[in-house]
Amino acid sequence: DAGVIQSPRHEVTEMGQEVTLRCKPISGHNSLFWYRQTMMRGLELLIYFNNNVPIDDSGMPEDRFSAKMPNASFSTLKIQPSEPRDSAVYFCASSRPVAYNEQFFGPGTRLTVL
Amino acid sequence: SQQGEEDPQALSIQEGENATMNCSYKTSINNLQWYRQNSGRGLVHLILIRSNEREKHSGRLRVTLDTSKKSSSLLITASRAADTASYFCATVISSGSARQLTFGSGTQLTVLP
Repeated sequence: DAGVIQSPRHEVTEMGQEVTLRCKPISGHNSLFWYRQTMMRGLELLIYFNNNVPIDDSGMPEDRFSAKMPNASFSTLKIQPSEPRDSAVYFCASSRPVAYNEQFFGPGTRLTVL
Repeated sequence: SQQGEEDPQALSIQEGENATMNCSYKTSINNLQWYRQNSGRGLVHLILIRSNEREKHSGRLRVTLDTSKKSSSLLITASRAADTASYFCATVISSGSARQLTFGSGTQLTVLP
């Protein structure tokens, strides 16, 4: 199994631009999670999906952030417009269809907004 | 505030020594998990301990859970330079079908050769 796949691995953009981060979960996993990691705030859960349905998006910082999961094998996290304070490493993770199970993390996307 | 808080924030030991990291949390949990993160990488799951368990082993790892004190510890025995990483505890709360993990701030472990 290839594990959780994220793209791009690095993204540098200018303030005001739209940024789209992509994630392919492990096949057979029905839960998908988006996290943001910064030195100041640590690892924060932004949103998670069960069976492609958003369950809890209370961690999404602002309306500039949106996430979709059109099917079981693909999810996007979009920031529009981006701001310098959005600079962070964004992780996607997935887990099997068993409640309270371990999560498998992707390698992350390092986002820098200038 | 974070559900889980690790202690210490940083730990430096010699290869071959044991490393102990602690985690405290605030609310009732279904289980507690420990993850490792190497620099520039994603988190990797190490071990899961359920609320009705008190101790669990996996290779050189030993995890304990004290639900009365709302605390857990991770012991790495006979440490190696390759164990150098950040270690995070994460809790799953006892709430319906909620699956989200709440991570602590992590312990940075450095194992010196």
